[in-house]
Amino acid sequence: GQQLNQSPQSMFIQEGEDVSMNCTSSSIFNTWLWYKQDPGEGPVLLIALYKAGELTSNGRLTAQFGITRKDSFLNISASIPSDVGIYFCAGRPDNYGQNFVFGPGTRLSVLP
Amino acid sequence: NAGVTQTPKFRILKIGQSMTLQCAQDMNHNYMYWYRQDPGMGLKLIYYSVGAGITDKGEVPNGYNVSRSTTEDFPLRLELAAPSQTSVYFCASSYSSRGNEQFFGPGTRLTVL
Repeated sequence: GQQLNQSPQSMFIQEGEDVSMNCTSSSIFNTWLWYKQDPGEGPVLLIALYKAGELTSNGRLTAQFGITRKDSFLNISASIPSDVGIYFCAGRPDNYGQNFVFGPGTRLSVLP
Repeated sequence: NAGVTQTPKFRILKIGQSMTLQCAQDMNHNYMYWYRQDPGMGLKLIYYSVGAGITDKGEVPNGYNVSRSTTEDFPLRLELAAPSQTSVYFCASSYSSRGNEQFFGPGTRLTVL
């Protein structure tokens, strides 16, 4: 089946630092979504991207739909303790119907 | 609005037992989904439904069954529980197939011993 790779798997950063993570696939996607999951909770949608090159912000978060349509990037600026959690990318491949494929997640820890 | 609710939060089953995971949404969404999340893995789609009376298999449907008799409810049935079904199960719903906003429930943590 379709697979997504996310990197890094986990990261530890100091409060106030900027964070970058990415999501890659071997096939072309027509939609990218970024979710955050807090412990014991379901994922919550952060940003949705619908066309190649699109750059979208949500507060301190910015995500981009890669030009090749095989990747997406998420940046968090000036991290704060509540940014801790697991960040998932999800994508809808071309010719895959209406459903999404989820990446394995990037676990973010913010040190005070 | 309560959003998407799931019960129970936790459950331990013995091999061969059966159970139903409940999911309900009060947002009048047509689309509903069941995912499982294994440690260190992304969400895998088990079954989905595009409306009452219509269900379809996702990526990992074996060992599960679903029904959608109403718009609000989408229960997931495990008939003969196996250790491989130990996982966290998430139900989600969305207004349209574009799926740009899938709302997730809080999850059910299932252990099969």
